[in-house]
Amino acid sequence: ETGVTQTPRHLVMGMTNKKSLKCEQHLGHNAMYWYKQSAKKPLELMFVYNFKEQTENNSVPSRFSPECPNSSHLFLHLHTLQPEDSALYLCASSQVTQGTEAFFGQGTRLTVV
Amino acid sequence: GENVEQHPSTLSVQEGDSAVIKCTYSDSASNYFPWYKQELGKGPQLIIDIRSNVGEKKDQRIAVTLNKTAKHFSLHITETQPEDSAVYFCAASIGNQFYFGTGTSLTVIP
Repeated sequence: ETGVTQTPRHLVMGMTNKKSLKCEQHLGHNAMYWYKQSAKKPLELMFVYNFKEQTENNSVPSRFSPECPNSSHLFLHLHTLQPEDSALYLCASSQVTQGTEAFFGQGTRLTVV
Repeated sequence: GENVEQHPSTLSVQEGDSAVIKCTYSDSASNYFPWYKQELGKGPQLIIDIRSNVGEKKDQRIAVTLNKTAKHFSLHITETQPEDSAVYFCAASIGNQFYFGTGTSLTVIP
């Protein structure tokens, strides 16, 4: 148990569907992140929230829409995705302070059909 | 922005041998370098980290070295065991932004 919980663990969705990924952290952290992990690629940073404010949007297509209602919860809303969006989506949290580790959740394995 | 390169992409060693994974980074502002281990079906977990004011750190069978001048850092695993088989990621951090390498798939052969 890493203290960062992601649901669902697996998700299959059609290209016209709308779904949401959820992340919750119980570590008292004030920064949360979404990463995309595809085969043979580095972890790709998608979004960063510091103190509930989005500070980074790493050129992510608008079909991915993040939401951070409080410092413990992070959502990734998905709509009209493409098959190439199939990947493992990882949530992480940390303190905003420099030089502290990021804790990752188990990830959501997303398949777009 | 920061660019982290990691080598090798795959590594096989006999049980009991040592494994070394190397990373380079581009931005001299990076000041924190964690290493993560990712097992199948799980998220990455921190195994060791090093800060820019330290040259070497050791934790039992795992050690990390950092050369700030050359901008490279390495993970050393000694006396490898089958349970060390996993994907290992290096990262460089500026503030609370983390930049990851492409990962090394380590297989320890019993």
